[in-house]
Amino acid sequence: AQSVTQLDSQVPVFEEAPVELRCNYSSSVSVYLFWYVQYPNQGLQLLLKYLSGSTLVKGINGFEAEFNKSQTSFHLRKPSVHISDTAEYFCAVSDYGGATNKLIFGTGTLLAVQP
Amino acid sequence: DVKVTQSSRYLVKRTGEKVFLECVQDMDHENMFWYRQDPGLGLRLIYFSYDVKMKEKGDIPEGYSVSREKKERFSLILESASTNQTSMYLCASSLRGSTQYFGPGTRLLVL
Repeated sequence: AQSVTQLDSQVPVFEEAPVELRCNYSSSVSVYLFWYVQYPNQGLQLLLKYLSGSTLVKGINGFEAEFNKSQTSFHLRKPSVHISDTAEYFCAVSDYGGATNKLIFGTGTLLAVQP
Repeated sequence: DVKVTQSSRYLVKRTGEKVFLECVQDMDHENMFWYRQDPGLGLRLIYFSYDVKMKEKGDIPEGYSVSREKKERFSLILESASTNQTSMYLCASSLRGSTQYFGPGTRLLVL
């Protein structure tokens, strides 16, 4: 069975500082990996995804993530955050090549950017 | 742009009522999903559908049923609402084996 762990439930950070949101997964098969963002009172929006190829994936709003197979990690980073990045961030995994592409989500990390 | 819409943003119902949550997508996606989101638990899959009239249970189907009579519409039904079904409900859709796109969510309060 697959699972996703986001160890940090909340990450406070000052504006213009760098940030890393951690995500570890477990799976016995090859996987696709995703980061979604949820702004207050909204649905989820895709930030970026890893399907194959380069392990460094760039997404929207200046975010990037690195797939590390040996450490089973897919950490999200941004070199300089803005107040508008305050949101909840979810890491998710799905089966490689699965037609139904069910997602298993982590419990989420609230990024709180302070001025 | 993919558009997934949900019939209500906020809903208040009483215990025992039958509740319908509607989801519509406009991109001819085969797959549709219903999740519930609770603080500290993330998103959990209730049901999904990979074709019209086809459905499969997710991780937490108890107390819920679904209906997919048309490709673009996927309904979540609470046969007899209970207070422990107070939650945020999110619908998503996707092409087969591809990225899921989410609706804005319905926040349901059961009194």
